[in-house]
Amino acid sequence: QAQLQQWGAGLLKPSETLSLTCAVYGGSSSDYYWSWFRQTPGKGLEWIGKVNPGGSGNSNPSLASRVTMSLDTSKRQFSLKLSAVTAADTALYYCARVVKNNFYVNAWGIGTTVTVSS
Amino acid sequence: QSALTQPVSVSGSPGQSITLSCTGTSSNIGTYNFVTWYQQYPGKAPKLLIYDVTERPSGISDRFSGSKSGNTASLTISRLRPEDEAHYYCSSYTFDYDFVVFGGGTKLTVL
Repeated sequence: QAQLQQWGAGLLKPSETLSLTCAVYGGSSSDYYWSWFRQTPGKGLEWIGKVNPGGSGNSNPSLASRVTMSLDTSKRQFSLKLSAVTAADTALYYCARVVKNNFYVNAWGIGTTVTVSS
Repeated sequence: QSALTQPVSVSGSPGQSITLSCTGTSSNIGTYNFVTWYQQYPGKAPKLLIYDVTERPSGISDRFSGSKSGNTASLTISRLRPEDEAHYYCSSYTFDYDFVVFGGGTKLTVL
């Protein structure tokens, strides 16, 4: 059973770049998409982006221009950067393991609360 | 506004059965059998309940069952228990993103 441990800065100023990293402990890596989601009381759960085992990926069109994701297979880590943050990016951010071809999450990180405030 | 539509709240009494709905479009639920249901308690990450419309992961009670008709998916919880009080979210693969979208979640209250 995989465990996902995530970390990153929790307080940002507008226009800064959000940076989060997620480490994967246990389980294989080839059968999954490595993904980021966020959750807010107002908008609920939202997919941010995913990285394929080979390192390629895509992101939510509403965020794509600001999202950069990477995968370090040697460290079993994947990362998210979201540039030019605003108050609207304040949310609880989760890293997650999504089963390929079935598109469900079977492992979540604990979540990182990110607050954007001047 | 979420891509999938769920009622904001539902309530039921212990022992009853309730059904939560999740309405999408032909771009997601109506075409693909990749509907997922999650249960979430306050301060916790979502927990997988149902995947592929009807499948239960090991360890999930058979009181939880899923179905789909047209553009609407449903989660039925039978023999309600107080510990079922939580938020429930549906998700579906969508052609629009080539990934997943979510409903806004339903708060289940067990009276």
